[in-house]
Amino acid sequence: NAGVTQTPKFRVLKTGQSMTLLCAQDMNHEYMYWYRQDPGMGLRLIHYSVGEGTTAKGEVPDGYNVSRLKKQNFLLGLESAAPSQTSVYFCAISLQGATDTQYFGPGTRLTVL
Amino acid sequence: QKEVEQDPGPLSVPEGAIVSLNCTYSNSAFQYFMWYRQYSRKGPELLMYTYSSGNKEDGRFTAQVDKSSKYISLFIRDSQPSDSATYLCAMSPIKAAGNKLTFGGGTRVLVKP
Repeated sequence: NAGVTQTPKFRVLKTGQSMTLLCAQDMNHEYMYWYRQDPGMGLRLIHYSVGEGTTAKGEVPDGYNVSRLKKQNFLLGLESAAPSQTSVYFCAISLQGATDTQYFGPGTRLTVL
Repeated sequence: QKEVEQDPGPLSVPEGAIVSLNCTYSNSAFQYFMWYRQYSRKGPELLMYTYSSGNKEDGRFTAQVDKSSKYISLFIRDSQPSDSATYLCAMSPIKAAGNKLTFGGGTRVLVKP
């Protein structure tokens, strides 16, 4: 039982390149979230999903797109990476909403040069 | 001004001491209060959960909420080196499908043997 996994763990991009981060869960939870964590800023919500086929914007959605074609997977895309997107990205899942226990993945460290 | 303020630390204490952490917030609508613990290079994990005002105790951990002062606290008794981590407060106004958590920036705690 892996819980929440994230792929890749590390990535270095050049400005303008694109990439997709994958979050996968085996806990059958409805809600999935993408956060970014920057020093002193805490966790900021990028996008979230309340179920298969649904997505919604969070606090800092600009420059990111998401898709949830399958219940167990939540993809975060960067179409044209910028240095301001250098961050640690965390995926999280919960059963019934944000105030339920959120289970986080191990994170993806992204550097945009 | 951030919606949730948290001293970044680091807070260094000797083993066995009481660790006192706190967050202040500006949104009086917050009703649900959580503390997440994050070890270095790991995802956060839920530590304590409190609804509205009052105290909650779980082993060595006590969470307090003072809504009149917009202030929440986490106390760790008999601190251990394994308690060395970053502690993030998080809060939400309602328990609903589309709600979101607002996180503080985190306080780094070091417990020295």
